[in-house]
Amino acid sequence: SQQGEEDPQALSIQEGENATMNCSYKTSINNLQWYRQNSGRGLVHLILIRSNEREKHSGRLRVTLDTSKKSSSLLITASRAADTASYFCATVPQGGSEKLVFGKGTKLTVNP
Amino acid sequence: SAVISQKPSRDICQRGTSLTIQCQVDSQVTMMFWYRQQPGQSLTLIATANQGSEATYESGFVIDKFPISRPNLTFSTLTVSNMSPEDSSIYLCSVYPVDGYTFGSGTRLTVV
Repeated sequence: SQQGEEDPQALSIQEGENATMNCSYKTSINNLQWYRQNSGRGLVHLILIRSNEREKHSGRLRVTLDTSKKSSSLLITASRAADTASYFCATVPQGGSEKLVFGKGTKLTVNP
Repeated sequence: SAVISQKPSRDICQRGTSLTIQCQVDSQVTMMFWYRQQPGQSLTLIATANQGSEATYESGFVIDKFPISRPNLTFSTLTVSNMSPEDSSIYLCSVYPVDGYTFGSGTRLTVV
């Protein structure tokens, strides 16, 4: 069953603006990952943050993790039209196998 | 990171027939995962496939409907059997070689 809930479900912004997406989950985790999916195709791994980390950066991406609140956020700075995609968080629950549990996703539209 | 070749990329099938989806990985991996993504939804894990053993299915998925083969450490197939329109989805395979998952490009299945 799905563990994560993302909000907003859909987000529309202008190019150059920042986009923030949030994810909540229910159980203890080993790590949390963010993925991008363009037009219903394969997923691209963006960033992984471990349960003992609080913040991580990769290029224009910034991810935070608050294990006390069981939540994470993905910030995309200076967005571009090419960032238009669906973004999913996924967790690896503690004590389980390496299988990912996905949230429902945020559909981001960046208008030129 | 690993590279996955997934085939076919899309297919339109008649109800009652079966479709086999293949995933070839360019490196040896212990576990492969098969996901289903129904229209407008997130990803749901179907099963985990280990080489040399029976696949482990998630709740709601059964081997008779989704038989999986894993003949070696670089290859796996998922068959969608006796298809109905409700099986129309994107099916994706995934591997976890080191740090972060890699996904195939997906198979978009339409059952008519």
